Amino acid sequence: EAGVAQSPRYKIIEKRQSVAFWCNPISGHATLYWYQQILGQGPKLLIQFQNNGVVDDSQLPKDRFSAERLKGVDSTLKIQPAKLEDSAVYLCASRDNRDSPWAGELFFGEGSRLTVL
Amino acid sequence: AQTVTQSQPEMSVQEAETVTLSCTYDTSENNYYLFWYKQPPSRQMILVIRQEAYKQQNATENRFSVNFQKAAKSFSLKISDSQLGDTAMYFCAFMNSHTGTASKLTFGTGTRLQVTL
Repeated sequence: EAGVAQSPRYKIIEKRQSVAFWCNPISGHATLYWYQQILGQGPKLLIQFQNNGVVDDSQLPKDRFSAERLKGVDSTLKIQPAKLEDSAVYLCASRDNRDSPWAGELFFGEGSRLTVL
Repeated sequence: AQTVTQSQPEMSVQEAETVTLSCTYDTSENNYYLFWYKQPPSRQMILVIRQEAYKQQNATENRFSVNFQKAAKSFSLKISDSQLGDTAMYFCAFMNSHTGTASKLTFGTGTRLQVTL
């Protein structure tokens, strides 16, 4: 079974530029998460999708971050314009909650490391 | 809001020895899940072990076991017979089972474990 795929693995941009990250979850997983992991910290949830609907985006900086999951499968996370403090690893995770809505394991991708100069 | 605290930023253990990583959490909920995730250097996060709060028996997975103290809101991870491949960041995480499809993981700040020869 293929895992969660993310791209690009690494991205370096200058502040005020834009960047987009892509995530392809495990086939059949309805729930998709984007987490931000700043160096030395634990991952912080940015946004959670259930199919193509947003469940929780309370910690997403909506003035510069946006995310979509139009067909309920792939998802993109965009930052525009980027700030220095956006330097982090952006983790995508998916979960199959068909059996139980809360007990399913989250499967993570390898992450996309962003450096903003 | 739930919080997860890991008070040990770094730990070191010799190969074949036993090490215990600490985690405390704060919640007003009665039903929830607790997790330990492992994040090797430059590799994706993977689940190590999971504990359901309604189960009194501590979870075990081969060399990994937990000491779950619900009243004290403590959830420590014990790694027995440590191996070099156990070197990684370890994150304690909380999931509120009450929120159904809105379930999300809340992570601690992590403990960096180094296994030495």
